[in-house]
Amino acid sequence: ETGVTQTPRHLVMGMTNKKSLKCEQHLGHNAMYWYKQSAKKPLELMFVYNFKEQTENNSVPSRFSPECPNSSHLFLHLHTLQPEDSALYLCASKDRGHEKLFFGSGTQLSVL
Amino acid sequence: RKEVEQDPGPFNVPEGATVAFNCTYSNSASQSFFWYRQDCRKEPKLLMSVYSSGNEDGRFTAQLNRASQYISLLIRDSKLSDSATYLCVVGMNTGFQKLVFGTGTRLLVSP
Repeated sequence: ETGVTQTPRHLVMGMTNKKSLKCEQHLGHNAMYWYKQSAKKPLELMFVYNFKEQTENNSVPSRFSPECPNSSHLFLHLHTLQPEDSALYLCASKDRGHEKLFFGSGTQLSVL
Repeated sequence: RKEVEQDPGPFNVPEGATVAFNCTYSNSASQSFFWYRQDCRKEPKLLMSVYSSGNEDGRFTAQLNRASQYISLLIRDSKLSDSATYLCVVGMNTGFQKLVFGTGTRLLVSP
């Protein structure tokens, strides 16, 4: 248990569906991240939120829409995804000034 | 050129062996360096930070060579439980600390 909880663990969706991934951290951290991990590729940073404000959008397509209502919760809203978006989506959090990044268990997403 | 480059492996070693992984990074302004471990179908977890003077944590030793822009991880007396993918991670201290991950090196330790 890392203190970062992601739901769902697995998700299968069609290209016309709308779904959301949820992340919650119980560590009191002030920065939260979304990463994408595809097979045989490195983790790709998607979004960063510091104190609920988005500070990084790594050229992510608009079919991915993040939401950070408070410093403990982070969502990733998915709409009209493509099969190539199938991947493991990892949420992480960190305390400013500290090095260690804490990851959630991830959501394994399959787009059909 | 990839920002962080690692040999994907797999490295197949017997229990008790010593194994070393290298990683190179392209951005000379990088300021922080880490090794993360990722088990199959699990999330990455910090193994150790890497400091300029080199550092050791039990059977694990990390080294940093800024001039050549590479990082190494040495594992002594390998255990079966060391089987995992080892991710080299390089950070830019931009306030929130942007981390760039390598693709990872897979290690398989056999009996």
